[in-house]
Amino acid sequence: EDKVVQSPLSLVVHEGDTVTLNCSYEVTNFRSLLWYKQEKKAPTFLFMLTSSGIEKKSGRLSSILDKKELSSILNITATQTGDSAIYLCASTGSARQLTFGSGTQLTVLP
Amino acid sequence: SQTIHQWPATLVQPVGSPLSLECTVEGTSNPNLYWYRQAAGRGLQLLFYSVGIGQISSEVPQNLSASRPQDRQFILSSKKLLLSDSGFYLCAWAKAGTEAFFGQGTRLTVV
Repeated sequence: EDKVVQSPLSLVVHEGDTVTLNCSYEVTNFRSLLWYKQEKKAPTFLFMLTSSGIEKKSGRLSSILDKKELSSILNITATQTGDSAIYLCASTGSARQLTFGSGTQLTVLP
Repeated sequence: SQTIHQWPATLVQPVGSPLSLECTVEGTSNPNLYWYRQAAGRGLQLLFYSVGIGQISSEVPQNLSASRPQDRQFILSSKKLLLSDSGFYLCAWAKAGTEAFFGQGTRLTVV
């Protein structure tokens, strides 16, 4: 059974801080790891990491895949209140399931 | 471009009543389709996924069922709702090897 674990479950920081969110996975025939941001309703896609693309960056957000450690991190630098959200990590494997972790609730205080 | 429609947005149903949530995808063919449930402030629990018409895989034994009568239509059903079925339900689609795209979700409250 595929499994994705995220930590911490929740995090409270102040504007300007840098945060690191963690995700570990156990997936049969791993294909990709995905990060999403969820503010109110539908999660929105951030990054997809695969064996051929283990590092992605977009503005203040960046993510790295460590295939040896079966994990990934999502970094957010110079956090803003608009970064407050649930951050979800998901993995795909040969079973074509899309398995999510429990999410990290990030709160950025002004 | 591809779009995904999920309805209704909110639903209040009495215990013991039936349920039918519908999700349709436009602009793509033979997508993988998923139903998730999310508890408040938490991650997504995979309920069902489908890789083709009539093909349903269930991840968690429960009071719910799913069907895929057409290539781009995915339906979540229950014959008799329980209080524990309350939650936020999300439909998603993906092509193999790509990211998933989500519907806007249905907030179900069973009273």
